[in-house]
Amino acid sequence: SQELEQSPQSLIVQEGKNLTINCTSSKTLYGLYWYKQKYGEGLIFLMMLQKGGEEKSHEKITAKLDEKKQQSSLHITASQPSHAGIYLCGAAPNQAGTALIFGKGTTLSVSS
Amino acid sequence: NAGVTQTPKFQVLKTGQSMTLQCAQDMNHEYMSWYRQDPGMGLRLIHYSVGAGITDQGEVPNGYNVSRSTTEDFPLRLLSAAPSQTSVYFCASARQGRTNSPLHFGNGTRLTVT
Repeated sequence: SQELEQSPQSLIVQEGKNLTINCTSSKTLYGLYWYKQKYGEGLIFLMMLQKGGEEKSHEKITAKLDEKKQQSSLHITASQPSHAGIYLCGAAPNQAGTALIFGKGTTLSVSS
Repeated sequence: NAGVTQTPKFQVLKTGQSMTLQCAQDMNHEYMSWYRQDPGMGLRLIHYSVGAGITDQGEVPNGYNVSRSTTEDFPLRLLSAAPSQTSVYFCASARQGRTNSPLHFGNGTRLTVT
């Protein structure tokens, strides 16, 4: 079965610093999704990538999907306390886009 | 639109009790799914449905039943609760058949089984 591995598991950065979170799949991805979760709350959709080489940005967050569609990175520029939370990558293991699987998450803390 | 609504938000059960976690969406999404989230385990898929009358098992289906009689509702039933089912449960929905449709999540139900 397909697995998604996220690294690092946790991250503490100083406010204003840049950071990168990685998501690696054991198989080809048919859609890669990034979500953010604050403790005790639901998941908020950030971005979706579908094509190899695709890159999307929203405010200070940029996500990329590599050409082979087996790895994605999430980059935050000039981190702020509001960026703190758990970041999860999710992927569709089939072309129908059903039965999405998720990585175990990366916990980000931003110190001021 | 309310989006995906889960009830209750919190629930405490005793071992052996049964209950139903409710999930409703008002976005006319064909696809609905249930996940559980446990520390260190991430989100694991329990059951999913691609439309009314159609359900399928995910990664961890044992101990749970689902049905999909309408497009809007996708309840999750615990037949005989066990302490191992203590978790946070999330319901999610999406448009079916379009790979550019992300999952919309509810706010979760925190279940404790004693």
